[in-house]
Amino acid sequence: AQSVTQPDIHITVSEGASLELRCNYSYGATPYLFWYVQSPGQGLQLLLKYFSGDTLVQGIKGFEAEFKRSQSSFNLRKPSVHWSDAAEYFCAVGSNQAGTALIFGKGTTLSVSS
Amino acid sequence: DVKVTQSSRYLVKRTGEKVFLECVQDMDHENMFWYRQDPGLGLRLIYFSYDVKMKEKGDIPEGYSVSREKKERFSLILESASTNQTSMYLCASSPPDKFPGYTFGSGTRLTVV
Repeated sequence: AQSVTQPDIHITVSEGASLELRCNYSYGATPYLFWYVQSPGQGLQLLLKYFSGDTLVQGIKGFEAEFKRSQSSFNLRKPSVHWSDAAEYFCAVGSNQAGTALIFGKGTTLSVSS
Repeated sequence: DVKVTQSSRYLVKRTGEKVFLECVQDMDHENMFWYRQDPGLGLRLIYFSYDVKMKEKGDIPEGYSVSREKKERFSLILESASTNQTSMYLCASSPPDKFPGYTFGSGTRLTVV
């Protein structure tokens, strides 16, 4: 079955500390992988994406993610968290196959403490 | 700036009403999607469309229908609203190659009383 697992429902990180949000996926085809961020009451904004090439991808807002095929993971990282990073983060997987849609994880809520 | 616009940010409807949620995109995208978002459940796909007048059921289509008469507009219809359809509804669009990712609207928070 195709699925995305975000093991951490809620994470609290101190401002200035590093962050890693985990994402594991199960997908039959070569996947497209995405991370989205959602601020309260808003839609989702694309942070970064991966399909092929360099397994470390850079995104907006200083985020990066590393694709590890052997672990079926696509973890999101940031070296130094800012208070404005507090939001909900969603990992998603999909393909270019016609008639398919992205599958989203259940999300990880990030709180930032001062 | 490209946009996906959902006509209402907040809606309150009564049980049994027929409810229309409208979504318009200005990017000439072929694909459009409707998801609902509930705490702890993430985003669940209701319906999607990859062309005008085409539609595909997602994971939770029961109680919903959709309409896509024009490329830029994708409507979600709750035939007879029920309280368990109280949720945040998110519309998204993408080109045929989904690698650019989805562009999402700001969402419609629907409350059925």
